[in-house]
Amino acid sequence: GAVVSQHPSRVICKSGTSVKIECRSLDFQATTMFWYRQFPKQSLMLMATSNEGSKATYEQGVEKDKFLINHASLTLSTLTVTSAHPEDSSFYICSARDEGFGQPQHFGDGTRLSIL
Amino acid sequence: GQQLNQSPQSMFIQEGEDVSMNCTSSSIFNTWLWYKQEPGEGPVLLIALYKAGELTSNGRLTAQFGITRKDSFLNISASIPSDVGIYFCAGQIQGAQKLVFGQGTRLTINP
Repeated sequence: GAVVSQHPSRVICKSGTSVKIECRSLDFQATTMFWYRQFPKQSLMLMATSNEGSKATYEQGVEKDKFLINHASLTLSTLTVTSAHPEDSSFYICSARDEGFGQPQHFGDGTRLSIL
Repeated sequence: GQQLNQSPQSMFIQEGEDVSMNCTSSSIFNTWLWYKQEPGEGPVLLIALYKAGELTSNGRLTAQFGITRKDSFLNISASIPSDVGIYFCAGQIQGAQKLVFGQGTRLTINP
């Protein structure tokens, strides 16, 4: 149980392109999902908390107009990197938590984004 | 803000050896989680701890929630090559949704 699917696993695109990443909880409902960014050899950096049916909560320093988050259902959150530039290249990982009390976060397999 | 200090940053051991890593904080956490991440993949949950003093095992892995609620350790016994990866601790403060992560411990095993 507690499977989180993230798609795509890898994206290579030209500068200026917008890229959408999907995060799905496959066997549970998730009121809250989380989006992280990870630089090489570093820990996970929380970008935003995605809440179903409401606006996402962004961490300090994360541009909400750059990283658009939509959480339209209890099993799907999307992160769109708008007008991506080479500095947006990174490993993006989502996580979701089962609604049950005290349930831990489970992570997707990540998306490697490379902007040329 | 809250920070987790995870140590050691890296470990180089021989296959069969036991491994120990820990996380400490100046803040009190309600939940401690241990994850393992392999290259190009997302972290996978190993052990979740919810009570101070709790000691939980998952196969060769054992983790404890410190009695002060400010620390946790993870032990791996009789390491094998597939234990290679980066181990992260993560803590959650009561009432908070988000996790605070440690810097990770990179484990390398010589066969």
